[in-house]
Amino acid sequence: DAKTTQPPSMDCAEGRAANLPCNHSTISGNEYVYWYRQIHSQGPQYIIHGLKNNETNEMASLIITEDRKSSTLILPHATLRDTAVYYCIVRPYNTDKLIFGTGTRLQVFP
Amino acid sequence: DTAVSQTPKYLVTQMGNDKSIKCEQNLGHDTMYWYKQDSKKFLKIMFSYNNKELIINETVPNRFSPKSPDKAHLNLHINSLELGDSAVYFCASSSRTTSGGAPRADTQYFGPGTRLTVL
Repeated sequence: DAKTTQPPSMDCAEGRAANLPCNHSTISGNEYVYWYRQIHSQGPQYIIHGLKNNETNEMASLIITEDRKSSTLILPHATLRDTAVYYCIVRPYNTDKLIFGTGTRLQVFP
Repeated sequence: DTAVSQTPKYLVTQMGNDKSIKCEQNLGHDTMYWYKQDSKKFLKIMFSYNNKELIINETVPNRFSPKSPDKAHLNLHINSLELGDSAVYFCASSSRTTSGGAPRADTQYFGPGTRLTVL
């Protein structure tokens, strides 16, 4: 079973920041938070991951709370092409298995 | 410069047939996976191979047999296809590194998927 809770859907205006929350209250010390997205039945696309520090790359920023029980994925300037299902996944560093939940369907509108 | 590729993209076949899906990665990774996404969009891991050895084998019928001829390829052969096998199958790959003596699985990169329809 997925160890994360995400809202089923969110809307965001094009050009605005999209903030996608994720709860992972049972996360363990050796577990990373990963974010993937899936655009209309394409293969899941890796976005970003982190352990306890905030992370930023060319796609997004990941903010992890100090107690690590929740995180937020930030797309700073959402575009129509960011419309997708976003999955927040908690994974121990030493296992291969990604357990996908139901994700958040982000709709970016003009 | 495709990283993880799958063939075919679409596969339509009759119940009872045997079919294969191929996956290749050119990322130099040593671990490959098969995932299944059903009609309700749940994405679940089926198998993983590391250096051609089976690492993960979830509760999958033995009609499904993965084969890894080398580290860059992981094929999925399905015998006696059933209606419930209709789904999108995704291949993925990653590297395993060692950190402090313990194995560590790195980021997985997915292929575009194969949509299998069993009639």
